[in-house]
Amino acid sequence: EVQLVESGGGLVQPGRSMKLSCAASGFTFNNYDMAWVCQAPKKGLEWVATISYDGSRTYYRDSVKGRFTISRDNAKSTLYLQMDSLRSEDTATYYCARQGVGFAYWGQGTLVTVSS
Amino acid sequence: VQLPQSPSYLAASPGESVSISCKASKSISNHLAWYQEKPGKTNKLLIHSGSTLQSGTPSRFSGSGSGTDFTLTIRSLESEDFAVYYCQQYNEYPLTFGSGTKLEIK
Repeated sequence: EVQLVESGGGLVQPGRSMKLSCAASGFTFNNYDMAWVCQAPKKGLEWVATISYDGSRTYYRDSVKGRFTISRDNAKSTLYLQMDSLRSEDTATYYCARQGVGFAYWGQGTLVTVSS
Repeated sequence: VQLPQSPSYLAASPGESVSISCKASKSISNHLAWYQEKPGKTNKLLIHSGSTLQSGTPSRFSGSGSGTDFTLTIRSLESEDFAVYYCQQYNEYPLTFGSGTKLEIK
């Protein structure tokens, strides 16, 4: 059974950093591109970033370029999102997802609240 | 690619059929997926490639369209279908989602 379990969310002050993790199991992690998708409270889904199966290519939405870094450790089957210079508008639930033709599997999400 | 989705809200009764529209601001071939969002559950990929049912998606769901105009149709609504639905294009980066359609019981 495919499982994606996010961790690392919580309350953080504006301008500070936070690192999210996503532990994957039930599939061959290094065969798949992976992504982070977020959802602000009572809002819709927004793609954040994608990393290729081997980590050689990364893609970001404009609003996080230069502040967020997506990475992966294939030996640990774990996806990461390093979030720096956080802003109040980054407040959202962050989901990791396995990317293919669409996002076939999603985690339950971890809530990040950026507030002083 | 902008993905206006309509309607944003839909009320229907079990047994009825409904359709949700997603219109891309430029051609995305058939690189469109549909998702279902329900409280307490992980998001579910229903359809990819515009019209291909993901494994496990009930046959009452169907998708159609290519290029810029896409439709998700649910026939004979069941109680478990009342949820929020999103379209998403994966033709190019940045990947984008529609704004969502909340389907409620009338």
